Amino acid sequence: EDKVVQSPLSLVVHEGDTVTLNCSYEVTNFRSLLWYKQEKKAPTFLFMLTSSGIEKKSGRLSSILDKKELFSILNITATQTGDSAIYLCASTYSGGGADGLTFGKGTHLIIQP
Amino acid sequence: DSGVTQTPKHLITATGQRVTLRCSPRSGDLSVYWYQQSLDQGLQFLIQYYNGEERAKGNILERFSAQQFPDLHSELNLSSLELGDSALYFCASSVGDFSIYNEQFFGPGTRLTVL
Repeated sequence: EDKVVQSPLSLVVHEGDTVTLNCSYEVTNFRSLLWYKQEKKAPTFLFMLTSSGIEKKSGRLSSILDKKELFSILNITATQTGDSAIYLCASTYSGGGADGLTFGKGTHLIIQP
Repeated sequence: DSGVTQTPKHLITATGQRVTLRCSPRSGDLSVYWYQQSLDQGLQFLIQYYNGEERAKGNILERFSAQQFPDLHSELNLSSLELGDSALYFCASSVGDFSIYNEQFFGPGTRLTVL
């Protein structure tokens, strides 16, 4: 059974700290790994990763994929209270007559001032 | 605002009933995706349509069905509702087909409460 596991489930840090969120996956016919940020409403897209070892960066956020060890990390540096959210990772799969994506349960990140 | 609209915003109904959730994708997007988010299961992919055709299927129950119309809006039909169907249902849209992944834009969701 395909699964995506995120850790930690919850994380509380102070503003200015750096955090690392983890996502491991076991997915047949893996295609890509996605990161989303979900605040009170709908998830918003952060990154899509398809190749190992290539870091994607957007401001203070960065992410990298390791396809050999089947995991990805999301780093947030110099955290701000606006970074407080649930961070979701998802793995897409395609092939064998089945396409889809599987989400992890998310990491709830709380940034304290 | 992602440009994806969903109606209704909130729906309360009784067990055994049937409801229809509606989604209008962003202008120009041909793919529509449906997701269910509950506290215990997290966010689950249900189904995807591309230009009117079903293209990918996830953990969608047989009691649920969906379709995408010629104007590209989509409807998710939930029947014989059970308490466990209470959840937030998201619709998302993207330009391309699932097989060539494109960024998905999520709508605000419909919160379904089954009593």
